[in-house]
Amino acid sequence: DTGVTQSPTHLIKTRGQQVTLRCSPISGHKSVSWYQQVLGQGPQFIFQYYEKEERGRGNFPDRFSARQFPNYSSELNVNALLLGDSALYLCASSLAGTGSNIQYFGAGTRLSVL
Amino acid sequence: GDSVTQMEGPVTLSEEAFLTINCTYTATGYPSLFWYVQYPGEGLQLLLKATKADDKGSNKGFEATYRKETTSFHLEKGSVQVSDSAVYFCAPQDYGGATNKLIFGTGTLLAVQP
Repeated sequence: DTGVTQSPTHLIKTRGQQVTLRCSPISGHKSVSWYQQVLGQGPQFIFQYYEKEERGRGNFPDRFSARQFPNYSSELNVNALLLGDSALYLCASSLAGTGSNIQYFGAGTRLSVL
Repeated sequence: GDSVTQMEGPVTLSEEAFLTINCTYTATGYPSLFWYVQYPGEGLQLLLKATKADDKGSNKGFEATYRKETTSFHLEKGSVQVSDSAVYFCAPQDYGGATNKLIFGTGTLLAVQP
C-alpha cells in the first residue's frame, strides 16, 4: 500500500510570495490534517479536513488556507510568506475525522522562505 | 486546552542501555495516547498507541502504559540500539470535539552511542 505522499519535497520562496503544498492520503482515508513543524519544535496543528469540509483550524493567521478535493487529496496554501513560515509542513491522513483514529504522516515538505 | 510535557533532551545512552522517556499530559477527557518517532530528515512514524486506561502499547521492543491516575505515558525500552537514535514525540489525541488532532510537545532527542 502507498503511504501518505506529499509534494514537493523541498521548496524555496521569497518573502511575500505564495505557496501551494499538496498531499495525497492513504487509499480509503477520508480525513487529512496539516501540521507545521518549526526546526527544533514539535508539530503544530494547522487544519483538519474530513469529507471535503474543514473540521478544525489551529491558531494560524488567515494567510493559511486549505481545501480537500473529491478524491480526498488536499492542498495547503500560504499567502504573503514571512520568514517565520520556514518549516517542515506535514500532512497526515486518517480513516475518519473524529474519534480515536491513527494519523499516518507523510515525509513532509520543507519550505524555506528567504 | 490539552497539552503534553516530555522530558528535555538530549538523552544520550550507550548501546544496550535501558531507556525511559517521561511523558505527562493534561486533558479534559480521556484521550488516546501515541508515541511517534522522527528520524533525521523524515516525517513522523507511529511507534505505539494506547486508547484507554491501563492499556499497554508495544512495538519493536518499546513499551508504554496508559496511566490515567498520573496522566502519564512513559516510553521504555530494555536495550537500545544505535538505530534507535531519533526524536521521540508523545502525543495525546484530542477527539472530544470536531477533530481528532494530535497535540505535540517539543519532543525528546535520543542519541545512542556504540
